[in-house]
Amino acid sequence: AQSVTQLDSQVPVFEEAPVELRCNYSSSVSVYLFWYVQYPNQGLQLLLKYLSGSTLVKGINGFEAEFNKSQTSFHLRKPSVHISDTAEYFCAVSETGTASKLTFGTGTRLQVTL
Amino acid sequence: DAGVIQSPRHEVTEMGQEVTLRCKPISGHNSLFWYRQTMMRGLELLIYFNNNVPIDDSGMPEDRFSAKMPNASFSTLKIQPSEPRDSAVYFCASSLLAGSQETQYFGPGTRLLVL
Repeated sequence: AQSVTQLDSQVPVFEEAPVELRCNYSSSVSVYLFWYVQYPNQGLQLLLKYLSGSTLVKGINGFEAEFNKSQTSFHLRKPSVHISDTAEYFCAVSETGTASKLTFGTGTRLQVTL
Repeated sequence: DAGVIQSPRHEVTEMGQEVTLRCKPISGHNSLFWYRQTMMRGLELLIYFNNNVPIDDSGMPEDRFSAKMPNASFSTLKIQPSEPRDSAVYFCASSLLAGSQETQYFGPGTRLLVL
């Protein structure tokens, strides 16, 4: 079975600063990787996903993530954050060739301040 | 498209009462998922359907929980009898196709409080 670890439960950052949210996964087979964002009192929304090909994936709102197979990581980055990026970010993994079953990490709360 | 629709958005009930949560997936989507989100356990998959058929219900906590999908545009999650530990936010999500590479689209959730 697969698992996802998001070591940072909270990440405070000033507006216009860069940010990296860390995600590590564990699986015995090939995986697909996802980042979802949850704004207050809303459902989750896909930011980006890695299926295959280029290990650098670009998503919405200026976010990008890099898949590193040797380190089993899929860290999310943004070069300059905005107040509106304040939200909960979830990393998720699914195993290739299987049915639709996502396993989510515990989430990282990104708090952007002036 | 209106997105995934869930009702009610908030539910407060007393222990022992029956609770029914409703979900309308995005039109044309073939897979539907029910999740539960709590502070202690995070986001957990309870059950998912493909073409209205339950595929994996291993996440359903116990017999008090049941889910149905009578047609492609409607699903229910029922808790009977409800307990305080069932208090959580319940999300419904849908995807166009079955398959682990598919993007899941989430509804706004139902916030359930069992007193």
